[in-house]
Formats: sequence, C-alpha cells, structure tokens
Amino acid sequence: ETGVTQTPRHLVMGMTNKKSLKCEQHLGHNAMYWYKQSAKKPLELMFVYNFKEQTENNSVPSRFSPECPNSSHLFLHLHTLQPEDSALYLCASSQRGQESEKLFFGSGTQLSVL
Amino acid sequence: AQKVTQAQTEISVVEKEDVTLDCVYETRDTTYYLFWYKQPPSGELVFLIRRNSFDEQNEISGRYSWNFQKSTSSFNFTITASQVVDSAVYFCALGGGATNKLIFGTGTLLAVQP
Repeated sequence: ETGVTQTPRHLVMGMTNKKSLKCEQHLGHNAMYWYKQSAKKPLELMFVYNFKEQTENNSVPSRFSPECPNSSHLFLHLHTLQPEDSALYLCASSQRGQESEKLFFGSGTQLSVL
Repeated sequence: AQKVTQAQTEISVVEKEDVTLDCVYETRDTTYYLFWYKQPPSGELVFLIRRNSFDEQNEISGRYSWNFQKSTSSFNFTITASQVVDSAVYFCALGGGATNKLIFGTGTLLAVQP
C-alpha cells in the first residue's frame, strides 16, 4: 500500500465515450502527477500539479483533461480517445520542496480503447 | 537533454543467481538524482533507492546493491541470490533541476525462474 489509490483499476471504453480516472493520495503531499505507460516505451509524464496548480503539460492532446480540485485528489477526464491511447495510466504524488523527486505511485488504471 | 537508457529489455535468470540491471543516463545538470523503481505485476511502482549526484558511494541494502559511477554516467543495480519474488519490471529514473520531473528509462523485465 503506497498511499496513492487509483480507480478504476481497469477501464474499457469506446472512442465516443466520456470517462474519468480518479486518483487520491493519503500522504499529505503537495504535488500530483499523471504518467502514461505504454508497452516498450518509457513512462511518459503527462501532467504535473503543484499545490493544485498545473505546472506541466507535456504536449498532451486535449482529449485528456486533468482536474485537481485539491492537493489530495487528481482526475483525468477522457473523451473521444483513440485506440493508441490504450495504456496503463499511473498517478503519483510527492512532497515538493524536498531535495528529491521521490514519487509514490498508485497501481494504475489499465485503459483499453476500442 | 535528459535521457535514461536501459539497454536490457528482458533478463531471465534462475533462482539464486546474481543479476545486474544496467542504467546509463544523460544530463547537463550538475545536481541531479537517480532512482530505481520496481513494478511488480500489481502495477504500482515501488521506490527502491534515490541517489544524489554528489554521493558516489555504492550502497547495499540486503540483497540489493547499487553502483553509481559518474565517470561513465551509470547507475547499475545488482540483485544477489535472486528470488522468484524479484520478478518485476525495474525502472531507472533521473530527476533534478528546476522542475519536479522524473525521466524514466524503458524498464527491464526481470524473470526469476524457480
């Protein structure tokens, strides 16, 4: 148990659906992240939120829309996705301001886009 | 540009063998951090170690040891007397600089056979 909870664990959606991924951290951290993990590729940083403010958008298509209502919760809203968006989506948190970037990860949401 | 290279895509060993996972990094930062994470089949990335660029001492933690060599920009990870429970994907990552971004390698899938 890493203190970062992601729901759902698995999600299958059609290209016209709208769905949301949820992440909650119980560690009192002030930074949260979305990563995308595709087969045979490095983990790709998608978004970074520091103190609820988005500080990084790594050229992510607009069909992915993040939301961070408070420092403990992070959402990723999905709409009109493509099959190539199928991947494991990992949420992470950290305590910004400490000397390192030690991330705590959730178990991820395995997304399949049909 | 920052980059992490894990040249070994998959490694298969028999239980009790020693195994070394390679990691080579590129960065222009003078201060940076190197990490190893383990991703078991359950999906979450589990933090194993963080190393500051100014600390080149090798570290040992139980059956795990890490060899950091700035001269070759490498941060290799050795598991001694491997066990089946060590089977996982292992990621090397590079962090530091002005932003809280972690750059990951593509990971090495380690399979330990009984």
